[in-house]
Amino acid sequence: AQSVTQLDSHVSVSEGTPVLLRCNYSSSYSPSLFWYVQHPNKGLQLLLKYTSAATLVKGINGFEAEFKKSETSFHLTKPSAHMSDAAEYFCVVTDPYNQGGKLIFGQGTELSVKP
Amino acid sequence: NAGVTQTPKFRVLKTGQSMTLLCAQDMNHEYMYWYRQDPGMGLRLIHYSVGEGTTAKGEVPDGYNVSRLKKQNFLLGLESAAPSQTSVYFCASSRGVAGGLYTDTQYFGPGTRLTVL
Repeated sequence: AQSVTQLDSHVSVSEGTPVLLRCNYSSSYSPSLFWYVQHPNKGLQLLLKYTSAATLVKGINGFEAEFKKSETSFHLTKPSAHMSDAAEYFCVVTDPYNQGGKLIFGQGTELSVKP
Repeated sequence: NAGVTQTPKFRVLKTGQSMTLLCAQDMNHEYMYWYRQDPGMGLRLIHYSVGEGTTAKGEVPDGYNVSRLKKQNFLLGLESAAPSQTSVYFCASSRGVAGGLYTDTQYFGPGTRLTVL
């Protein structure tokens, strides 16, 4: 069975400092992995996705994530936080060979950015 | 191009009442999904559809029914609402298969906030 664990429920950074949101996954096969962002009272937007191509994935708004199979991790990073990055972030795993494309969500990490 | 839209945006029900949530997409996507979002639990899949006329159960299907009579619409029904169904409901859609893999991006609607008293 697949599962995702986001290691921090809340992360707080100062504007201009690096962001690190941690995600570990469990899967018995080569998964596809995603990061989605949800701003307050909004729907979810895809930040980036890994589908067995390059292990370092670049996304929108300066975010990137690195797939590390040996550590079963897919951490999200950004070199310099902006106030507009304050939102909830979800790490997501799916089985790319299973019809339905069902997503398994982590519990979410709320990112706060202080001025 | 509106993407994925959901109707209504907010609703308050009394226990035992019924209602239908409508999801519409204009991207000609094959796959559609209904999720619920509860605090601290991420999103959980209720039902999904891999094409017009098909539906399948997700992780938390009890108390819900769905229909996909038209490719662009996916309806979620609550026959007898319960307070445990108070949640934010999201619809999503995707092309389904991309490059032979079921990993295509899911596009989400803005959500419906439902309260059951």
